[in-house]
Amino acid sequence: GAGVSQSPSNKVTEKGKDVELRCDPISGHTALYWYRQSLGQGLEFLIYFQGNSAPDKSGLPSDRFSAERTGGSVSTLTIQRTQQEDSAVYLCASSFSPGGIQYFGAGTRLSVL
Amino acid sequence: KNEVEQSPQNLTAQEGEFITINCSYSVGISALHWLQQHPGGGIVSLFMLSSGKKKHGRLIATINIQEKHSSLHITASHPRDSAVYICAVIGGNRDDKIIFGKGTRLHILP
Repeated sequence: GAGVSQSPSNKVTEKGKDVELRCDPISGHTALYWYRQSLGQGLEFLIYFQGNSAPDKSGLPSDRFSAERTGGSVSTLTIQRTQQEDSAVYLCASSFSPGGIQYFGAGTRLSVL
Repeated sequence: KNEVEQSPQNLTAQEGEFITINCSYSVGISALHWLQQHPGGGIVSLFMLSSGKKKHGRLIATINIQEKHSSLHITASHPRDSAVYICAVIGGNRDDKIIFGKGTRLHILP
């Protein structure tokens, strides 16, 4: 596709369930970023991939959060045992190279009931 | 026409200069973010505004809801301020769509 694609666009889940969020970056982009925006908060950096490796995991808020990227392309963000405070919009972005302009997906709105 | 327009697209200035970056938008919003992207790094949220003015250190952000315009000012600019600054608006509709500007690349020369 022409842009960064995220799925699902909306996800409603029950507290304690696991969820997987998917990001399909722009073809050829080596860097991939995950962010989240909670209600009333600014954008929060979660994790960054260069190729398949994640040199910066500092933003993951807890060990319930994990992410992987395979084949240098698609990435999944997994949240285990979801909590209500996990409710947010999760944004993915990609760039041709680290430090390049980032192109954002439309986001996944996660609601934990 | 983009829903969020930033100007200038690129700006080079000398250390110490007062910097202004502008953001105009054409949609109803509930809030506006100013973001900073450093080379090789992720994006940092600098401010979230829904009205008035906010100040943090050498950074000042203002918003005029009636004019649909926001400005980011940097006083006493420093080479470490060199980054891309992005304006993002949060839609005022129920879907809270996030619309990003294309960014302003700022380069401060020592």
